[in-house]
Amino acid sequence: QKEVEQDPGPLSVPEGAIVSLNCTYSNSAFQYFMWYRQYSRKGPELLMYTYSSGNKEDGRFTAQVDKSSKYISLFIRDSQPSDSATYLCAAQYSSASKIIFGSGTRLSIRP
Amino acid sequence: GAVVSQHPSWVICKSGTSVKIECRSLDFQATTMFWYRQFPKQSLMLMATSNEGSKATYEQGVEKDKFLINHASLTLSTLTVTSAHPEDSSFYICSARPVEGQRYGYTFGSGTRLTVV
Repeated sequence: QKEVEQDPGPLSVPEGAIVSLNCTYSNSAFQYFMWYRQYSRKGPELLMYTYSSGNKEDGRFTAQVDKSSKYISLFIRDSQPSDSATYLCAAQYSSASKIIFGSGTRLSIRP
Repeated sequence: GAVVSQHPSWVICKSGTSVKIECRSLDFQATTMFWYRQFPKQSLMLMATSNEGSKATYEQGVEKDKFLINHASLTLSTLTVTSAHPEDSSFYICSARPVEGQRYGYTFGSGTRLTVV
């Protein structure tokens, strides 16, 4: 069983829609949770960083963590074609430990 | 913001030769750098963790004699793929953990696409 599981997609939605991306994890020792965006042939770019359970909002992006169910979510409001990319969820045991990634979800926003 | 530069961005080499990839933190010092490998349409798989001035720690299943890592300074780590073979063709990405300041999430380089022919 992978430590961080993510539906690879692809996911295609029309411009302006709300996008919901989800991950589950298996190890309750994870404390820090991240979402990265990766464009083709580029390195990952940090979008959201969350400690423990709760919500965090940054512009059109909202990250949610539910540690009781080991569930991580990313919501994108008013989606734009420029949001088309692969989105990777990730987790850490501590803020200084290695980052463990999910498999990534390929998202396409149709104009 | 923190910037990590990776060089080269792409390289083609012949089977049996060695290739060196550099990872530099441009505006911060990094005690720890991480090396990942990513196959097409797959996630990033951690290969090894390198700490400045000490030996790298390799993940299970990664050949340390094939993937040589050197972290000689607080701003530079190198990955050398020795005796490369076509199955080593992949996208290699590094990330760096700052000595101080913002440490969460780390900063990733733009990756190196290696093709072995």
